[in-house]
Amino acid sequence: QVQLVQSGAEVKKPGASVKVSCKVSGYTLTELSMHWVRQAPGKGLEWMGGFDPEDGETIYAQKFQGRVTMTEDTSTDTAYMELSSLRSEDTAVYYCAATGTLEDWFDPWGQGTLVTVSS
Amino acid sequence: QSVLTQPPSVSAAPGQKVTISCSGSSSNIGNNYVSWYQQLPGTAPKLLIYDNNKRPSGIPDRFSGSKSGTSATLGITGLQTGDEADYYCGTWDSSLSASYVFGTGTKVTVL
Repeated sequence: QVQLVQSGAEVKKPGASVKVSCKVSGYTLTELSMHWVRQAPGKGLEWMGGFDPEDGETIYAQKFQGRVTMTEDTSTDTAYMELSSLRSEDTAVYYCAATGTLEDWFDPWGQGTLVTVSS
Repeated sequence: QSVLTQPPSVSAAPGQKVTISCSGSSSNIGNNYVSWYQQLPGTAPKLLIYDNNKRPSGIPDRFSGSKSGTSATLGITGLQTGDEADYYCGTWDSSLSASYVFGTGTKVTVL
């Protein structure tokens, strides 16, 4: 059974960067495609990007292109999401969510990481 | 701003049935499979339905999904207090560049 465990909450100042990790257990990262979804306080879910196995590349939502980088360390089965030039509107819970081969649904999800951007 | 529209809220008494609609377009629902996610208060979303109408192991058959054209529907029968949650539809969108889109979300309240 796949489990995703994320890093702890972060508090950052405007203009800074944040890097959130997502550790996979039960499977290897190479068997999954990892995506990242965020949820601002009291708001809905917003897809940020993820790995596209058909192209072998990471795709990003247009809104975040140039500001987000998603990487993987297959030696530790850990995925990372780094968001730069943070602003107050980036305050949100960030989730990693996995898809399997030829799947287009997200299951499972990490527990979420709260990132607070405040001066 | 989400491209998939859901009603903000639905409610019913315990034991009753509710349906949640998810309206999209030919670039998303019309040509892709739909998934549904349940988010209980203070927790991460959980997969409820995939490929329009399939239930993962462990999801009771009180939950059902369907799709017709550019709309999808989630049904919950035998409503329980534990079903109080936010529900989101989701699918891929192929307009411009590929992206995954979620619905606006629906709060289910058990009266």
